[in-house]
Amino acid sequence: QVQLVESGGGVVQPGRSLRLSCEASGFTFRSYGMHWVRQAPGKGLEWVAAILYDGSKKYYADSVKGRFTISRDNSKNSLYLQVDSLRPEDTAEYYCAKDVQLYSGSYSVGLDNWGQGTLVTVSS
Amino acid sequence: DIQLTQSPSFLSASVGDRVTITCRASQGISSYLAWYQQKPGKAPNLLIYAASTLQSGVPSRFSGSASGTEFTLTISSLQPEDFATYYCQKLNSYPQATFGQGTRLEIK
Repeated sequence: QVQLVESGGGVVQPGRSLRLSCEASGFTFRSYGMHWVRQAPGKGLEWVAAILYDGSKKYYADSVKGRFTISRDNSKNSLYLQVDSLRPEDTAEYYCAKDVQLYSGSYSVGLDNWGQGTLVTVSS
Repeated sequence: DIQLTQSPSFLSASVGDRVTITCRASQGISSYLAWYQQKPGKAPNLLIYAASTLQSGVPSRFSGSASGTEFTLTISSLQPEDFATYYCQKLNSYPQATFGQGTRLEIK
């Protein structure tokens, strides 16, 4: 079965960096677009970033553009999110999620599998 | 940017009730809309994709429909396990893959 396992979260001071990872199994990772979605404590879902199945294109929410970098290593079935210049408002649970469809472009019809999340807390 | 407005933000209903949740896009997004259920402390769970396609394993009491820029999630007969928060998401064009504000469904 499909599994997505995030790691790399923790408590970090403002301005510092973290690298979040998502290890995928149970499906052909290289064939699917992948996303990061976050949720601040007690708040709604916020889409953060997406990367196409082959890593050729990357997309970011305005709130993280220039500070976060999404990447993938299809040889390792892994997705990453480099988060730099962290701010207190970046405190959230970070989820990785998989596209429903194979080989999607700059669009999707839904995200069908999600990891359990990794918590990032930005505090001095 | 295309705005997505979800309503209501809160809904109180009883077991057996039929409930509807609506998301309205400010412009056309074709069928690039999904619905998720989220329970406290858990990751979201996909219910409906492509506006009206039921995700595998999701009970048939859940359904999605679209009329122009208005999208509806319907639960035909509420079960105790359905009390949760529901989100819509539009995915027609990155980077605008935004979520609706959420609807918290509680037991009356």
